[in-house]
Amino acid sequence: GAVVSQHPSWVICKSGTSVKIECRSLDFQATTMFWYRQFPKQSLMLMATSNEGSKATYEQGVEKDKFLINHASLTLSTLTVTSAHPEDSSFYICSARDPGGSDQPQHFGDGTRLSIL
Amino acid sequence: AQSVTQPDIHITVSEGASLELRCNYSYGATPYLFWYVQSPGQGLQLLLKYFSGDTLVQGIKGFEAEFKRSQSSFNLRKPSVHWSDAAEYFCAVGLNTGGFKTIFGAGTRLFVKA
Repeated sequence: GAVVSQHPSWVICKSGTSVKIECRSLDFQATTMFWYRQFPKQSLMLMATSNEGSKATYEQGVEKDKFLINHASLTLSTLTVTSAHPEDSSFYICSARDPGGSDQPQHFGDGTRLSIL
Repeated sequence: AQSVTQPDIHITVSEGASLELRCNYSYGATPYLFWYVQSPGQGLQLLLKYFSGDTLVQGIKGFEAEFKRSQSSFNLRKPSVHWSDAAEYFCAVGLNTGGFKTIFGAGTRLFVKA
């Protein structure tokens, strides 16, 4: 069964609105979650590392004020795309790593397809 | 800088034929290595992983991969491809540099023809 749940799976909204995407770890507590962005036919690009109880660590070139990340509990991280515009349309995927060691792989959510009109 | 290279953007194989997807990495030490598969519009599923020990790793769905330190490679193989294997395959490197991070290759799209 899925160990990481991502919601919603697909969202369409008007330009200028803000969109929140949730990522939940179902079978374990995740102190760290990751947010990726994937353009069509391209690889996953890490946007930020979400740390429970502290600020997220953003990758170079990712706008912190544009992509707000909140990791309020050990099982939930949220990504809010603020004032979304058509260029923000993309496939966003979250992941969480099994606890208990740095040699554990990441489990991925099924992704959220965001379409901004 | 660390990087992962998948030299083949896409590969087409006949059903029942063998498959090898190439992956090379650039990293100062032996990294954690992964292969993931992604179906269209879906998240990623882990096929297999290498951390240490036996350099030939068995995964799910009949896949295996071999770590070759001298070539900095971690190629994915399957002896007989099924039509359901058509998907995007990503090689990834796990790095623990002041925080765990995974870097993905560009991906290889596998097409399977009848």
